[in-house]
Amino acid sequence: DAGVTQSPTHLIKTRGQHVTLRCSPISGHKSVSWYQQVLGQGPQFIFQYYEKEERGRGNFPDRFSARQFPNYSSELNVNALLLGDSALYLCASSYNRGWFSNEQFFGPGTRLTVL
Amino acid sequence: DAKTTQPNSMESNEEEPVHLPCNHSTISGTDYIHWYRQLPSQGPEYVIHGLTSNVNNRMASLAIAEDRKSSTLILHRATLRDAAVYYCILRDGGATNKLIFGTGTLLAVQP
Repeated sequence: DAGVTQSPTHLIKTRGQHVTLRCSPISGHKSVSWYQQVLGQGPQFIFQYYEKEERGRGNFPDRFSARQFPNYSSELNVNALLLGDSALYLCASSYNRGWFSNEQFFGPGTRLTVL
Repeated sequence: DAKTTQPNSMESNEEEPVHLPCNHSTISGTDYIHWYRQLPSQGPEYVIHGLTSNVNNRMASLAIAEDRKSSTLILHRATLRDAAVYYCILRDGGATNKLIFGTGTLLAVQP
C-alpha cells in the first residue's frame, strides 16, 4: 500500500510569492495534519483537517491556509512568502482524530526554499 | 501544552540495548506519551505510545514511571538503521491530533 505522498519534493520561490503544497493521505485515512520543520528543530504543528473541516490550528500567521478535499487529500497554501518560511513541510495522516487516533503516518515532506 | 525534556544526543554500539530517557514532570492525567523517530531525510515515524502501563511492540519497549513524570524508550538491540532523532511527545486526548515536538535526542549507533 502507498504511504503518504507529498508534492512537489522540492520547491524554490522568491519572497512575496505564493506556494501550494499537496498531500495525499493513506487510503482510508480521514485526517490530515500539516507541520513545518525548520532546520535543526522539531516539526511545528500548523493545521489539522478531519472530514474536510479544520479541527486544529497552530500558532502560524494568516498567510498560511489549508483545505481538505472530498477524497481527503489536502493542500497547504502560503501567501506572501518570507525568507523564514524556508523549511521542510510535512504532512501526516491518520484514520481518526483525538482520543481515537494513535499512530500518525508522515510523508517525506516538501522542501521549500525562499530566496 | 505539557513539555518534555530529552538529552540532546546519545551514543550506542551496534547490537547493544539503548535506553532513551524523557522527563515530563508537568504531564496531566489525560496525556499520552508518544515516541516518534526521524531518520535522515525522512518524515517522522511512529515508534510506540502509552498512558500508564509499560508497552512493547516489534520496534521497542516503553517504560513509564509510576508517577508518570518520566519514561524511557528501550531499543533492545540497536542497529545502524536505528540512528535517528528520537522525539518524546505528550499528546492530550482532545479533539486534535496535534503533536508537539521538542528538539529530540540524536542517537548515533557505532558499528
